[in-house]
Amino acid sequence: EADIYQTPRYLVIGTGKKITLECSQTMGHDKMYWYQQDPGMELHLIHYSYGVNSTEKGDLSSESTVSRIRTEHFPLTLESARPSHTSQYLCASRGRLNSPLHFGNGTRLTVT
Amino acid sequence: AQKVTQAQTEISVVEKEDVTLDCVYETRDTTYYLFWYKQPPSGELVFLIRRNSFDEQNEISGRYSWNFQKSTSSFNFTITASQVVDSAVYFCALSDANTGNQFYFGTGTSLTVIP
Repeated sequence: EADIYQTPRYLVIGTGKKITLECSQTMGHDKMYWYQQDPGMELHLIHYSYGVNSTEKGDLSSESTVSRIRTEHFPLTLESARPSHTSQYLCASRGRLNSPLHFGNGTRLTVT
Repeated sequence: AQKVTQAQTEISVVEKEDVTLDCVYETRDTTYYLFWYKQPPSGELVFLIRRNSFDEQNEISGRYSWNFQKSTSSFNFTITASQVVDSAVYFCALSDANTGNQFYFGTGTSLTVIP
């Protein structure tokens, strides 16, 4: 079973600040994903990566950026946080084709 | 185009009742995979089951069972003798074999089990 970790679990930050949400997995999965989700609502794919140095934007337009320098690490950065960024951010990874997505515990971000 | 529809937005049942969560999918591919996830109030998504398009056998795991019917493009999830701990949002998802890197999630069904 995949182990995937997200930090911080909760974050409250002021408008205009730069933040980075961390996501790491220990299973050597090539594919990693970031989803944005308001509590209990549908998931929106914002970024994904199929391997090192590969990143793509997802279906939902996002002002965030990602990087994939190492297989195990897929951080998401907001250069200037706004109240509209308040949401839960879920990181996921996947091994072989058509295997399940394994999710981290999520980061609940509040921008004041 | 791939699409997953969960028409039930919210369901409430009394503890010990059975409940079925509906999932209807669309895909042009003949090979695809279907999934169910549970999201409790704590927020993480927990994988429950994966089923491929060539295996229409129903599956039972404890109080959980899944009914896959290709003829109606449905993959329904039944909880028998519901418990308060079953209260969560449940998501159905589709991954097709050709673009297997992408997941298509339904909008989720929020289940509340009343003690």
